[in-house]
Amino acid sequence: DIQMTQSPSSVSASVGDRVTITCRASQGIRNWLVWYQQKPGKAPNLLIDAASILASGVPSRFSGSPSGTDFTLTISSLQPEDFATYYCQQSNSFPLTFGGGTKVEIK
Amino acid sequence: QITLKESGPTLVKPTQTLTLTCIFSGISLSTSGVGVGWIRQPPGKALEWLALIYWNDVKDYSPSLNSRLTITKDTSKDQVVLTLTNMAPVDTATYYCAALVDPSGNHYRKTFDHWGQGTLVTVSS
Repeated sequence: DIQMTQSPSSVSASVGDRVTITCRASQGIRNWLVWYQQKPGKAPNLLIDAASILASGVPSRFSGSPSGTDFTLTISSLQPEDFATYYCQQSNSFPLTFGGGTKVEIK
Repeated sequence: QITLKESGPTLVKPTQTLTLTCIFSGISLSTSGVGVGWIRQPPGKALEWLALIYWNDVKDYSPSLNSRLTITKDTSKDQVVLTLTNMAPVDTATYYCAALVDPSGNHYRKTFDHWGQGTLVTVSS
């Protein structure tokens, strides 16, 4: 199985801050990496597909970038509605695997 | 608009079999490129993929739960059913179904595009 390791597990930030979350795959997955956003008590919501393609309706302050087996989700200017938990998922091969999540909290 | 909704028991006893139904609209599992999967999330923990079924009845399961899981589809009813046998307290989680839609209709997409609201299942005697 491909292991997905996210860091940090949590981050405290203020509105307007730039936030970066990393996801590392245990082996090569090309660019088959997905990011989801999950707010408390809600289902996850697709954010970014294929490492860098924003899903429909996702604000441009979100971006994703690949670098080998490391993948980065960046929020360029954190907004109040962005406080949530973010998960990565490899979509390269079965079994599908998720990262442990990164909780973005208000500082 | 694509919507999915999970239904099933909220409480099951240890050793019982869990049967969950995902009823969806806005997609059809008779259309090439469409799939429906199940993911669960224990309280306060991360997401875990369970199973997935595609339009052509291709299926895949989490290896760690493979012997306990079955996924089936009923195209005429626009629903997918997941069964998980021999339930234990560690299986307590919110269970989500989610749809995968490949626009080209040619690929086995592995990104969950649309999610149901989830249903919390508690395992307790």
